[in-house]
Amino acid sequence: DAGVIQSPRHEVTEMGQEVTLRCKPISGHDYLFWYRQTMMRGLELLIYFNNNVPIDDSGMPEDRFSAKMPNASFSTLKIQPSEPRDSAVYFCASSPLPGDTQYFGPGTRLTVL
Amino acid sequence: EDQVTQSPEALRLQEGESSSLNCSYTVSGLRGLFWYRQDPGKGPEFLFTLYSAGEEKEKERLKATLTKKESFLHITAPKPEDSATYLCAVHYSNSGYALNFGKGTSLLVTP
Repeated sequence: DAGVIQSPRHEVTEMGQEVTLRCKPISGHDYLFWYRQTMMRGLELLIYFNNNVPIDDSGMPEDRFSAKMPNASFSTLKIQPSEPRDSAVYFCASSPLPGDTQYFGPGTRLTVL
Repeated sequence: EDQVTQSPEALRLQEGESSSLNCSYTVSGLRGLFWYRQDPGKGPEFLFTLYSAGEEKEKERLKATLTKKESFLHITAPKPEDSATYLCAVHYSNSGYALNFGKGTSLLVTP
């Protein structure tokens, strides 16, 4: 298995631009999670899905952030418009069962200038 | 208030110098405690899951233990390749399907 796949690995954009991060979970995993990691706040859960349905988006910081999962093998996290404080590493993770081990992708390092 | 606290924040060891990392939690209804290893520029990599007090798990030089209030990750005779950030996370009865992560311990093992 290829593991969780994320793209792009690095993204540099200017303030105000739209950013879309992509994730392909491990096949057969029904749960997908989006996290943001910074030095100050550590790893923060943004949103998670079960069978493509958003379950809890209470971690999404603002309306500028949105996430979708159109099918079992693809999810996107969109930031529009982006701001410098959004600069962080964004991880996608998937797991086969609720509360089970989560398997992380390599992350997308986002820099907003 | 943090529900998962890891200490120390950073630890420097000489190769072969054994030590322990701590993860304390204040949640009730613990369903699982997870340890992950994260190398620079990479995603967290799963190490162990512990489910009940008294449980222990081992992998090479690492041994994880769990009590009712905390978990320890013991590192025996560490090598430089053990240098990484170690994260712990908890799943508990009010967390839904999510894991709640601590901020991690950054371990550096020098030759």
